Amino acid sequence: SQQGEEDPQALSIQEGENATMNCSYKTSINNLQWYRQNSGRGLVHLILIRSNEREKHSGRLRVTLDTSKKSSSLLITASRAADTASYFCATDLVRAQKLVFGQGTRLTINP
Amino acid sequence: DTAVSQTPKYLVTQMGNDKSIKCEQNLGHDTMYWYKQDSKKFLKIMFSYNNKELIINETVPNRFSPKSPDKAHLNLHINSLELGDSAVYFCASSQDVGGLNNEQFFGPGTRLTVL
Repeated sequence: SQQGEEDPQALSIQEGENATMNCSYKTSINNLQWYRQNSGRGLVHLILIRSNEREKHSGRLRVTLDTSKKSSSLLITASRAADTASYFCATDLVRAQKLVFGQGTRLTINP
Repeated sequence: DTAVSQTPKYLVTQMGNDKSIKCEQNLGHDTMYWYKQDSKKFLKIMFSYNNKELIINETVPNRFSPKSPDKAHLNLHINSLELGDSAVYFCASSQDVGGLNNEQFFGPGTRLTVL
C-alpha cells in the first residue's frame, strides 16, 4: 500500500483563490517534501519540512506537518495560472534511504 | 546548463527489443535514482546508487539493469521489453542518500512506449 496519499486527487479553482492540498502517510518519517510536476516535465522540489517542524513558508507556499495525525498540507495563496500542475508529497521513511511519493493532486487554476 | 539530463526524451520500440536510457547530472551529487511513473502518475523508485554503489533495488525485474560508470552517470538498460514497461522513466539526483536532508533534482523524463 502507498505511504503517502494526497487529497483531493484533483482540484480546480479560480485565479487568485487559495489552494489547499493534503497528504497522509502511515509510518514514521524523517521529513516530508512537496514537489510540483508540470505537464510533460520532471518534478521540481518545492519545500522540505522536518519531522520536528510544524510549519514552513516559502513565498506563496505554506506547509504544515502534524506527526500525531500523520498528515501534511500544502497551501498555495493567491494562485496564478502558472501554478497549474500536479503536486506530490514525498515521505522520507525512517531508515529506508528513499522517498516514497503519493499519486499527487492535479491542480487547475482557471483564469 | 541542465542539471539532470536524460536521453532520449521519447523511445518507441517493439516488444522483445533491448533499449537503454542515459542519465547525467552536473550537480556534483553523490546519489542518483531511477523512477518509473505509470499512466496514473504514480511515481515509484526503481534503483538508487551512491558513489557508483547500488543502494536500493526495489524488486525490479532482472530485465532492468542499471549501470553507473561514474557518480555523474546512471544508465538504465532494459532487456526483452514488455508492454507493461510502457511508462515515463525519470532520473534524479541528490546530495545525500535517500534525499534525507536535501531535495531531489529530476531529469525531464523519458517516455517509453512498447508496441
